[in-house]
Amino acid sequence: KNEVEQSPQNLTAQEGEFITINCSYSVGISALHWLQQHPGGGIVSLFMLSSGKKKHGRLIATINIQEKHSSLHITASHPRDSAVYICAVDSWSQGNLIFGKGTKLSVKP
Amino acid sequence: DSGVTQTPKHLITATGQRVTLRCSPRSGDLSVYWYQQSLDQGLQFLIQYYNGEERAKGNILERFSAQQFPDLHSELNLSSLELGDSALYFCASSDGGLAGVETQYFGPGTRLLVL
Repeated sequence: KNEVEQSPQNLTAQEGEFITINCSYSVGISALHWLQQHPGGGIVSLFMLSSGKKKHGRLIATINIQEKHSSLHITASHPRDSAVYICAVDSWSQGNLIFGKGTKLSVKP
Repeated sequence: DSGVTQTPKHLITATGQRVTLRCSPRSGDLSVYWYQQSLDQGLQFLIQYYNGEERAKGNILERFSAQQFPDLHSELNLSSLELGDSALYFCASSDGGLAGVETQYFGPGTRLLVL
């Protein structure tokens, strides 16, 4: 079993829809990261969080440490949000990032 | 633009060969991380350097090695290349040494194809 699981693997939405991507992990962590990988391959760090909720523009990330679960929400989705979204955790035992396999999001106009 | 540069962008080589990938971190960042992204494995951490010293090691093969120079740029050396080494190799940097609790800034990646 992977230490970091994301769902869904693939997601297709219509422009304007509210989107949720989920991440569950099985190890003790210090922080969780959400990354965005553009179709061209570039990776951008969206959020780093260890508790509660963070918001940046139309993106919201939440984490529940007790349930070992995080969600990334996109409000009023737009075709330019089309990308792969990757969850990564900083494991206490390993001291470096462990990545989920990513969620490929496609937003249609 | 993250401020992290990687060269070359693309590299095509043959099995058995040796290549060097280069990374320049953001100005002021002391940590450099190397990651491999293959189609079947996703992103995997290879190795971290902090201010010239190896800080953490992940799933890095013995055929691979890295170093960080006094000017803080880093090189990842891949030798005796195999078809399975074909992947995207990313470098990232952060200002401190605590990988998981700092924002990492990723370079554009080097796409390696081993034929």
